[in-house]
Formats: sequence, structure tokens, C-alpha cells
Amino acid sequence: DAGVTQSPTHLIKTRGQQVTLRCSPKSGHDTVSWYQQALGQGPQFIFQYYEEEERQRGNFPDRFSGHQFPNYSSELNVNALLLGDSALYLCASSPLGGRKETQYFGPGTRLLVL
Amino acid sequence: GENVEQHPSTLSVQEGDSAVIKCTYSDSASNYFPWYKQELGKRPQLIIDIRSNVGEKKDQRIAVTLNKTAKHFSLHITETQPEDSAVYFCAAAESNTGKLIFGQGTTLQVKP
Repeated sequence: DAGVTQSPTHLIKTRGQQVTLRCSPKSGHDTVSWYQQALGQGPQFIFQYYEEEERQRGNFPDRFSGHQFPNYSSELNVNALLLGDSALYLCASSPLGGRKETQYFGPGTRLLVL
Repeated sequence: GENVEQHPSTLSVQEGDSAVIKCTYSDSASNYFPWYKQELGKRPQLIIDIRSNVGEKKDQRIAVTLNKTAKHFSLHITETQPEDSAVYFCAAAESNTGKLIFGQGTTLQVKP
């Protein structure tokens, strides 16, 4: 049974570019949450998707957007990249019919903005 | 706004000793409190969680306690082993919202 998977593992971009990160939830999970983890910090909640809609959003600008597909996988898009967007981006999934706060994390995508 | 404070930021113990990490939360609506372990370069791993209808929960060498009145919760690791060395994060959430608010993390070092 595969856990949460994310791609790519690493990414280097320059300021002003756009990036798309991908997440596949654990089998039997339908909810995907995205977090940004800066070096030496705890993860910060970006947003959560289920039933293909954004349901909750943290304190992140509109440059951060997402999507969820019918197979429950999800994308995180960041436009107009800033140096401060460099971080580990984690997605977490929650079980279908279960509690949304019970979350299992993927390995993350490390984004470096130059 | 919602905030979770975690202490200490670093903790060094001898193998076999106990380790305690404490967190305080601000949102009185929070009623779910998970703990995650993150080894270097790895994903955060859920190790134990507690809900506000329970004061204490144990799983082998790990226990979590919750004082909802004081808005405090703590992680206790007994008989520590070198493989317990990692960064530990506490978090808080309102039930079924899915928005976890994390503490700043505690780097635990267990010396052999």
C-alpha cells in the first residue's frame, strides 16, 4: 500500500517563474492538505482540498493556488516566485470518511528559488 | 490568531533517560493535538495524537498528556534510545477542520 507520494523531489527556479508541485494521496484517502516548511521551522498550512474544492486556506497570498482531480490527487501552483518561497512543500492526506485533521505526510518537494 | 508555542527548542538526554516536550496553544476551539517526528531529510511521521475528551494517552514508550483548562499538552518519551533522535513537532487543530497549527519544533538528541 503506497503512502503519500509527491513529485518532483527537488526543484530549482528563478524569481518571477511559476511552479507546479504534485501530490498523490495514500490509498483510501480523499483529502489533501498542503504545507510550507521553511528551514528550521514547523510546517505552515497553505490550504486543503476535498471533493475537488478548496475548503480551508491559511495565511498565504493568491499567488498560491491549487487543484484537486477526480482521482483525489492534487497540485499546488505558485506564481511570480519570490526568494522567500524557497522551502520544503509538504502534502498530507486524510482518510475518506475520516477526520480531516488526521493527516499523513508525503516526503515533500524541496523548492529553491534563485 | 491561532498560535502554538513549543519548548524547549533543543533537548539533549542520555540514552535511557526520559524526555519531555511541552506545547501551549491559544485557540480554545482546538480539540485535536498530534505529535510528529521528523528525521533529517524525511517526512513528518505521526507518532501519537490525543483528543480533548482524553487527558492522557500512551503507546509503549511514548505518552501525551493534555490540560485543556491551561491549554497545555506534553509529549513524554521514556527509556530514550539513539533512534529517538529527531525533530519533534506538536500541533493543534479544531476537530474536522484539517488545519493543523504547528509548533516551532524541538530537536531531541539522545546520546549513547
